[in-house]
Amino acid sequence: EAQVTQNPRYLITVTGKKLTVTCSQNMNHEYMSWYRQDPGLGLRQIYYSMNVEVTDKGDVPEGYKVSRKEKRNFPLILESPSPNQTSLYFCASQGAGAGNTEAFFGQGTRLTVV
Amino acid sequence: GNSVTQMEGPVTLSEEAFLTINCTYTATGYPSLFWYVQYPGEGLQLLLKATKADDKGSNKGFEATYRKETTSFHLEKGSVQVSDSAVYFCARNYGGATNKLIFGTGTLLAVQP
Repeated sequence: EAQVTQNPRYLITVTGKKLTVTCSQNMNHEYMSWYRQDPGLGLRQIYYSMNVEVTDKGDVPEGYKVSRKEKRNFPLILESPSPNQTSLYFCASQGAGAGNTEAFFGQGTRLTVV
Repeated sequence: GNSVTQMEGPVTLSEEAFLTINCTYTATGYPSLFWYVQYPGEGLQLLLKATKADDKGSNKGFEATYRKETTSFHLEKGSVQVSDSAVYFCARNYGGATNKLIFGTGTLLAVQP
């Protein structure tokens, strides 16, 4: 079954404590990305990766890091989380294409930073 | 610019009512257009898409037509069900090689029995 798996689903942490949200896809997709979803703002892209070792900033990259060492994994790293990073996070993957390919989303990670 | 604007929610309907959720976009070219649906507690999933002008995307009784004259991609369904209650996101692709998607703010649909 085609899947994007994120972990954890829920996380409460304290300001400044480094954390990683993992994302894995089993579809051999080249393109992966991270979004955050906030009320009234929809989904905004944080970072994306077009292939292994190729990553770039999205619209709201400040305070986040990513890596793409393997094709299937695309972890999101918060080195020093702050309360304004409290949000619902989604990982997504897409196959290579002309921009019209379907994005497959994980189930989301609800992060609370206190 | 590149943006997507969709009607604010929540939209509350009775079962079997007609649904329209408006969506307009701005773009310099002709992007691909999408509707994604997010059921409670889940991630987004593709509902339908259209890749060129006058295309009609359809799925599960939902339809949307790519109208370049009005830069719109309104979502419609003739008879909604309680199970259609969800958040609906209109999106367009950014263009170029990134596959990036630009989303609207989402519209919550609540269907009452």
